[in-house]
Amino acid sequence: AAGVIQSPRHLIKEKRETATLKCYPIPRHDTVYWYQQGPGQDPQFLISFYEKMQSDKGSIPDRFSAQQFSDYHSELNMSSLELGDSALYFCASALAGLLVASTDTQYFGPGTRLTVL
Amino acid sequence: EDKVVQSPLSLVVHEGDTVTLNCSYEVTNFRSLLWYKQEKKAPTFLFMLTSSGIEKKSGRLSSILDKKELFSILNITATQTGDSAIYLCAVASGGGADGLTFGKGTHLIIQP
Repeated sequence: AAGVIQSPRHLIKEKRETATLKCYPIPRHDTVYWYQQGPGQDPQFLISFYEKMQSDKGSIPDRFSAQQFSDYHSELNMSSLELGDSALYFCASALAGLLVASTDTQYFGPGTRLTVL
Repeated sequence: EDKVVQSPLSLVVHEGDTVTLNCSYEVTNFRSLLWYKQEKKAPTFLFMLTSSGIEKKSGRLSSILDKKELFSILNITATQTGDSAIYLCAVASGGGADGLTFGKGTHLIIQP
């Protein structure tokens, strides 16, 4: 079965540079979430989109922005990168159904490992 | 602020043992509780629980939710070395497509 696709899988940037991470949800999934997981940490929710509209916002820094496109893929744009941004960035997707809880079953992509030097 | 607490943080057992992982939560507008298994990469979905007292089962794994006492347990019977992973508990709350709040995870190591 098709899974969530993320690209790139690994990215190395220098401080103050910008980065763009891409996420392609499972086909027919209309909801996308972004999480940041630092070394030895649990995933921290950043932001989510449903039907191309921002749905919820977590601990996303102002230097980051994201959007969901008409084909439901999403991009996370990160600017003025800092050393502390080094982490694994996961995208998860879900399919909204008739029940609000339908979107709770989130399927995670393989992640993008970002290293900021 | 929503809070999810898992225990133990780390657990080492021998193959064949049965383990119970705990997850307690304090959230506003609880919707569901989810268990994920994380090996070296992405968390993989195990269970979603929304109702109290109904056990969900998949092979040697099972889980149950107690909404009155605000906790869930994940049981793994006849453990195998392939069960070694970090098990994450997460809670969905609020409305719409809100992000999950994760616990710190239980690092389970199964020794042969």
